[in-house]
Amino acid sequence: EPEVTQTPSHQVTQMGQEVILRCVPISNHLYFYWYRQILGQKVEFLVSFYNNEISEKSEIFDDQFSVERPDGSNFTLKIRSTKLEDSAMYFCASRAGTQRASYNEQFFGPGTRLTVL
Amino acid sequence: GQSLEQPSEVTAVEGAIVQINCTYQTSGFYGLSWYQQHDGGAPTFLSYNALDGLEETGRFSSFLSRSDSYGYLLLQELQMKDSASYFCAFPRGDDKIIFGKGTRLHILP
Repeated sequence: EPEVTQTPSHQVTQMGQEVILRCVPISNHLYFYWYRQILGQKVEFLVSFYNNEISEKSEIFDDQFSVERPDGSNFTLKIRSTKLEDSAMYFCASRAGTQRASYNEQFFGPGTRLTVL
Repeated sequence: GQSLEQPSEVTAVEGAIVQINCTYQTSGFYGLSWYQQHDGGAPTFLSYNALDGLEETGRFSSFLSRSDSYGYLLLQELQMKDSASYFCAFPRGDDKIIFGKGTRLHILP
């Protein structure tokens, strides 16, 4: 069964450093997302991406964040200068968007745990 | 604004039935979803109700009442592997899902 994959599973970085989190969405999916989950809290939307551009972003997704789909398979989240409060689990998700039945179902990757020291 | 309210924790016994409630406030409502998340795992889609009524998928059922801004997830024949957090959520157009804070389900043997 196709699945979303993410690398690395765990990233430790120093405050102020840049990190790139990588995702490979399901191959025929058209909509891509990043979410984050601070330990013990709810999953929060960061950004959505469709047709090679950002569709929507939350107030969390400030100028320190960027996303890119550098080729036909990868979808990346870059944090330019990490802060302590960026420590969280980051989930990538994708959705087909081609059929009414798939309107709502987003498929989540296993996540990258980011620890900022 | 947008909000979803659900209990923080629920405890039930293996083999029993449990209901997790969710109330919401939003404009432009498209439907209510439920996601399951095991510790350290990713959210996994369980169900989606666009219309009022009950949707059944195996041991899990989900109910929606749009007039009451209320829904619930019903889990039957509970198994230990059902111990997880359950999030109600609603999609906002094509762009995102807004999640509730989650209900931690504890199952006792």
